[in-house]
Amino acid sequence: DTEVTQTPKHLVMGMTNKKSLKCEQHMGHRAMYWYKQKAKKPPELMFVYSYEKLSINESVPSRFSPECPNSSLLNLHLHALQPEDSALYLCASSQARGTDYEQYFGPGTRLTVT
Amino acid sequence: RKEVEQDPGPFNVPEGATVAFNCTYSNSASQSFFWYRQDCRKEPKLLMSVYSSGNEDGRFTAQLNRASQYISLLIRDSKLSDSATYLCAVKGSGGYQKVTFGTGTKLQVIP
Repeated sequence: DTEVTQTPKHLVMGMTNKKSLKCEQHMGHRAMYWYKQKAKKPPELMFVYSYEKLSINESVPSRFSPECPNSSLLNLHLHALQPEDSALYLCASSQARGTDYEQYFGPGTRLTVT
Repeated sequence: RKEVEQDPGPFNVPEGATVAFNCTYSNSASQSFFWYRQDCRKEPKLLMSVYSSGNEDGRFTAQLNRASQYISLLIRDSKLSDSATYLCAVKGSGGYQKVTFGTGTKLQVIP
């Protein structure tokens, strides 16, 4: 059972649509992450929020817009995506300080862009 | 050289066998190391962190060799349910939480 939840599980959207992915964690973590994973590839970091502030943006195109409304929630707003953006989008959380950086993943949102 | 490298496999082993995976990393200042397990079309699940002194959890043993810059995962008495892709992950130096994943090693345990 995961303490990181993501909605929706599946999403199909056209290239002109606007949609949002949502992530919630109940682990008391203060760091949250968005990853993109294509088939047979490792997760690829997109964004990191630490104490609700964006700390890492891995040169992600502006059609992906993250938001961290509070310490438990993380959103990823999608607009004008391309078919090559189809992937599994994973949210993760971890401690933000100390040595315990173990990341715990949500089940992901499988996104298809048509 | 890639930051984190793994043999993609697949490793096909019979039930009950012992299997070991290695993962090399390029940044000698890396601080934290992890093994994750990922089943097909599922999220990665943390298997264990890897400590300098090595650590064991049941049939799983993880080791860190800083001198040679690699981590290892040993699975004893393999079960069919161990079939999955095993990802190593390495956190670099500094205060940021960036973790880099290896491409994963696929394990198939055969009856």
